Amino acid sequence: ELKVEQNPLFLSMQEEKNYTIYCNYSTTSDRLYWYRQDPGKSLESLFVLLSNGAVKQEGRLMASLDTKARLSTLHITAAVHDLSATYFCAVANFGNEKLTFGTGTRLTIIP
Amino acid sequence: KAGVTQTPRYLIKTRGQQVTLSCSPISGHRSVSWYQQTPGQGLQFLFEYFSETQRNKGNFPGRFSGRQFSNSRSEMNVSTLELGDSALYLCASSLGLAGGTYNEQFFGPGTRLTVL
Repeated sequence: ELKVEQNPLFLSMQEEKNYTIYCNYSTTSDRLYWYRQDPGKSLESLFVLLSNGAVKQEGRLMASLDTKARLSTLHITAAVHDLSATYFCAVANFGNEKLTFGTGTRLTIIP
Repeated sequence: KAGVTQTPRYLIKTRGQQVTLSCSPISGHRSVSWYQQTPGQGLQFLFEYFSETQRNKGNFPGRFSGRQFSNSRSEMNVSTLELGDSALYLCASSLGLAGGTYNEQFFGPGTRLTVL
């Protein structure tokens, strides 16, 4: 059974600092997603990573994928308050729409 | 184009009742997936429908069921509600194409179900 683990579960960081969220998954998967969720809201797609070594960046967020280690990271650079949210990674296989989600990381940026 | 819509947005029911939630996918999308989100269990896959057929199913009891109509709109039904069914129910739509194709999934705003 595919399992997806994220750490840390909670992250409180000061503005302008850098940090990384880790996502490990237990079996080979074809694609990995990162989503953002604001309180009481739906999931907003941030990145989809399809191949080993894939790196994508948007603003202060950068995601990477190491399929050999079954590890993805979401790196936050010079955090700002509006990045406060819960971040989820999810994995899936081609031909299968089912997403298996990680536990989520609740990120709080402190001024 | 319009995003994924879900109705109702909020719902309060009592134990033992049943409930039906609706999801309208993005125009042209034929796959609709449903997820349950709770603080304790996180985000869990319920089922996926494609062209009116259930294509994949998660590990939920038979009280949870769904269907999809010819216009790709989907409904999920929960019978004999339990307190633990209180959750945010999210649906996602995609083109649903098979054969090694990546299909981006778009999530709706969710239906918040409270069971008293």
